[in-house]
Amino acid sequence: QAGLTQPPSVSKGLRQTATLTCTGNSNNVGNQGAAWLQQHQGHPPKLLSYRNNNRPSGISERFSASRSGNTASLTITGLQPEDEADYYCSAWDSSLSAYVFGTGTKVTVL
Amino acid sequence: EVQLVQSGAEVKKPGESLKISCKGSGYSFTSYWIGWVRQMPGKGLEWMGIIYPGDSDTRYSPSFQGQVTISADKSISTAYLQWSSLKASDTAMYYCARIERDAFDIWGQGTMVTVSS
Repeated sequence: QAGLTQPPSVSKGLRQTATLTCTGNSNNVGNQGAAWLQQHQGHPPKLLSYRNNNRPSGISERFSASRSGNTASLTITGLQPEDEADYYCSAWDSSLSAYVFGTGTKVTVL
Repeated sequence: EVQLVQSGAEVKKPGESLKISCKGSGYSFTSYWIGWVRQMPGKGLEWMGIIYPGDSDTRYSPSFQGQVTISADKSISTAYLQWSSLKASDTAMYYCARIERDAFDIWGQGTMVTVSS
């Protein structure tokens, strides 16, 4: 089944800002928005943002999500070493009646 | 504390059967969908299916329909993922996750399944 498209990698310097993108279509991101997950090596994913761009309790304000048309974005401000991880978007696809995940973006903090 | 605790790692031979579990606590287990997600070594996340423990309504990804069975026992707040005949290509980490507002908000620690002759 079709997934959501994310750039494979993003590299930014310490304390800089990284913006990750997640592109879908009108049946998923464009219709329902996307949630964002962070996964450190060897650990389960952790929810960073619900699809309406609200953060769960305990998630830093440095993570903010937005959407424009069929593309969702996650902005990480003031990059820290602990932000090095894989980031995934996810959405409900109303045409497929299925959840779909993004291909994942590896963030490197230089 | 809201948490999902999964059963331990498994090593199986091709053709064997397997059932792994995911026990919820700290919330109303019957009021939230539970999803299963596969992550093959070094790869991304793949949605396998979901179940609503309140009435056992189950939906499968077309990629996994007929390959696995998802079930739940609400009396013990536990969801299950099972295979009747494992293949080497089933080797992966399997996660369960609670679904809230169409997001996978609480994740289990994962169950590593290794299938090798």
